[in-house]
Amino acid sequence: AQSVTQPDIHITVSEGASLELRCNYSYGATPYLFWYVQSPGQGLQLLLKYFSGDTLVQGIKGFEAEFKRSQSSFNLRKPSVHWSDAAEYFCAVGTGGGNKLTFGTGTQLKVEL
Amino acid sequence: GAVVSQHPSWVICKSGTSVKIECRSLDFQATTMFWYRQFPKQSLMLMATSNEGSKATYEQGVEKDKFLINHASLTLSTLTVTSAHPEDSSFYICSARDSLFPDTQYFGPGTRLTVL
Repeated sequence: AQSVTQPDIHITVSEGASLELRCNYSYGATPYLFWYVQSPGQGLQLLLKYFSGDTLVQGIKGFEAEFKRSQSSFNLRKPSVHWSDAAEYFCAVGTGGGNKLTFGTGTQLKVEL
Repeated sequence: GAVVSQHPSWVICKSGTSVKIECRSLDFQATTMFWYRQFPKQSLMLMATSNEGSKATYEQGVEKDKFLINHASLTLSTLTVTSAHPEDSSFYICSARDSLFPDTQYFGPGTRLTVL
């Protein structure tokens, strides 16, 4: 069975600073990997996804993520954080065909002005 | 594109009553929808997979007689919490898989259920 680990429960960064959120996965086959963002009391918005091909994927809102098979990681990055990026970020792994997703426990991002 | 709506966004009900939550894909057809439950400050837990025109598949530990799922059309799935109790209070989120692009799930805004 697949699993996802997000080691950081909370992260605080200053506005304008760079950001990296960690995600490690466990899955026997080639994973389908996703990053979602959730604002308080809201559903999840897809930031980016990786299925195959170029291991560096670009997403919305200036986010990117890099798939590293050797490290079983799919870390999310942003070069310059904005105050509006404060939210909960979830990494997820899925099986092929868009079947069930397994989510990590999430990382709460706080942005200091 | 790829917008999913949920109704209601929040609901308060008395213990013992039933509550129905709707999930709609607004601009695409979804043969498959998913229902998740999220407790405060926790991750999403998949409850069931809903397929249009067939019975839902429930995850282990989820009572299918308590959480009734109906996927009557390609754009609508409903979750009915029957005989609700305070422990059913939670944030329920649905997602839908675009039939044309099935590898990605798009999430609704969620429904906050409070059972008194």
